[in-house]
Amino acid sequence: QVQLVQSGAEVKKPGASVKLSCKASGYSFTSFYVHWIRQAPGQGLEWMGIINPGSGATGYARKFQGRVTLTSDTSTSTVYMDLSSLRSEDTGVYYCARDASHAEYLQHWGQGTLVTVSS
Amino acid sequence: EIVLTQSPGTLSMSPGERATLSCRAGQSLANPYLAWYQQRPGQAPRLLIYGASSRATGIPDRFSGSGSGTDFTLTISRLEAEDFAVYYCQQYENSLTFGQGTRLEIK
Repeated sequence: QVQLVQSGAEVKKPGASVKLSCKASGYSFTSFYVHWIRQAPGQGLEWMGIINPGSGATGYARKFQGRVTLTSDTSTSTVYMDLSSLRSEDTGVYYCARDASHAEYLQHWGQGTLVTVSS
Repeated sequence: EIVLTQSPGTLSMSPGERATLSCRAGQSLANPYLAWYQQRPGQAPRLLIYGASSRATGIPDRFSGSGSGTDFTLTISRLEAEDFAVYYCQQYENSLTFGQGTRLEIK
């Protein structure tokens, strides 16, 4: 079965960077795009970006451009999300999600990773 | 960016009742590229509906989606205890955006 397993919780200081991982299994890793979505405490879902794990091509939401970098490692079927210049407003749960092969609705989700930014 | 506005913000209903949740797009979707998700407390979202009206695998038939253009609806025909959660719509016609969510609570 399709699984996306994310790395563990992180605590970071303002100004630092964080790199989260999302390990995929149960499907052809290079055949489906992976997205990252953020959820601040008690808030809604916010799309951050997309990566084609096969080619490495990426697209980012305007709000996060310049601060977020998505990469993939086909040897380990893992996608990474690097977010820099962290501020307190970046505190939240970060999800990776795999879309359908033909459209960008999100069929499968990781369990989420809590990132806390605090001095 | 296509803005999605969900209403109501909170819906208070009883088990067995019919729930109707609305999602309005700030511009017309030329294609029915609209999905609905359910999120229970402490869990990741779960895909319910894609293509405005197609149920995802394993989703009970009490969930149905409809709509086109700017107005979309998620209907839950007979509420069960497990259905009380937050629901989000998402468009994928132009990049991806989510609505702000509707909280479905027990009356």
